[in-house]
Amino acid sequence: SAVISQKPSRDICQRGTSLTIQCQVDSQVTMMFWYRQQPGQSLTLIATANQGSEATYESGFVIDKFPISRPNLTFSTLTVSNMSPEDSSIYLCSVGREAFFGQGTRLTVV
Amino acid sequence: QKEVEQNSGPLSVPEGAIASLNCTYSDRVSQSFFWYRQYSGKSPELIMSIYSNGDKEDGRFTAQLNKASQYVSLLIRDSQPSDSATYLCAVNSGGTSYGKLTFGQGTILTVHP
Repeated sequence: SAVISQKPSRDICQRGTSLTIQCQVDSQVTMMFWYRQQPGQSLTLIATANQGSEATYESGFVIDKFPISRPNLTFSTLTVSNMSPEDSSIYLCSVGREAFFGQGTRLTVV
Repeated sequence: QKEVEQNSGPLSVPEGAIASLNCTYSDRVSQSFFWYRQYSGKSPELIMSIYSNGDKEDGRFTAQLNKASQYVSLLIRDSQPSDSATYLCAVNSGGTSYGKLTFGQGTILTVHP
């Protein structure tokens, strides 16, 4: 299984600001996935990040709110833009057929 | 919309008992099925994957898949207090986009001594 590192592990942010979350994998992967887990809820896929192409967003998620970069086969970033308290969640990146997850980023917006 | 439904919880079993977790899914073309364990404050951890009809055993865990009934289950034998966690059922929803999963809402399992 891949080793996935996410940064930051947690953050408290002011509403209206943006936070960029980094995901680093120890091997090259074609696709990386970004999920959100709202408090007390299950995981919801935000988008699929392919290297060399635009990310593919799921229904309910838009690029202006969650821009994603995928500069190479081992790294991706997710930005949560213009944050509101409703964005308080755990954000997780995953790779692989069996979705191995990083440790997640716990975001609190105040 | 593709859906994954898990049996409502929370589920409480005594130590040493069998815990049974169930999941149904709506997308008939799904080919890959997973069970994750998530401890409070931690990220999900894969414990079982199953791709073919029938049973798959790994230690104290057995996953069962019935594609005709669109049903997948997880049995935990000899349950231990350390098994207390939220269990998430997930189904591949991306066709050839492996790793694109739809998750159920989770079942909270408590194993009491």
